Amino acid sequence: SQQGEEDPQALSIQEGENATMNCSYKTSINNLQWYRQNSGRGLVHLILIRSNEREKHSGRLRVTLDTSKKSSSLLITASRAADTASYFCATDPTGANNLFFGTGTRLTVIP
Amino acid sequence: EAQVTQNPRYLITVTGKKLTVTCSQNMNHEYMSWYRQDPGLGLRQIYYSMNVEVTDKGDVPEGYKVSRKEKRNFPLILESPSPNQTSLYFCASRPGPGGYEQYFGPGTRLTVT
Repeated sequence: SQQGEEDPQALSIQEGENATMNCSYKTSINNLQWYRQNSGRGLVHLILIRSNEREKHSGRLRVTLDTSKKSSSLLITASRAADTASYFCATDPTGANNLFFGTGTRLTVIP
Repeated sequence: EAQVTQNPRYLITVTGKKLTVTCSQNMNHEYMSWYRQDPGLGLRQIYYSMNVEVTDKGDVPEGYKVSRKEKRNFPLILESPSPNQTSLYFCASRPGPGGYEQYFGPGTRLTVT
């Protein structure tokens, strides 16, 4: 399977702290994306990083990519209770329409 | 409002009774996909389409069919559902070449007894 794996599976932090989630994958990629899912709802795209990029920022989100280690991390700074959700990385090997999702990190932010 | 819609949102059916889950997008996207989400397995792609009349198998296509007769619609067909197809199903679309962000529908929770 080309699915990625997120680590940790679950993370619980206090409001205001930073949250870091990691993703490892197996094959070469065109791009890697992070999505968020609130409890059984549809996924929402957060950020995309291309294979030739090492770091990207969007608001309180920071994504890094290390293609030599086949890994990525998502940092959420100054977390809020509303950030409570599951976060998934998804790898796009070719830029076509196959997207391979990891199993997700369940983040709980305690007010 | 730009969106992907799915119907029905919830469905309970019996083994062997053919069903169709509809998916429609109003963003003129070229690419569409179906995923299933199961606990501990994340999302897995069932089928995808890169244009009208162009479909291809994803990771877990067995037991499913799709069609893409119009750009906006991408129905998922279960000809003879079985209990192992009980799952949460998501339709998604994206613009096309170079537009990688996927827009997801709200999901269809299917139970096959």
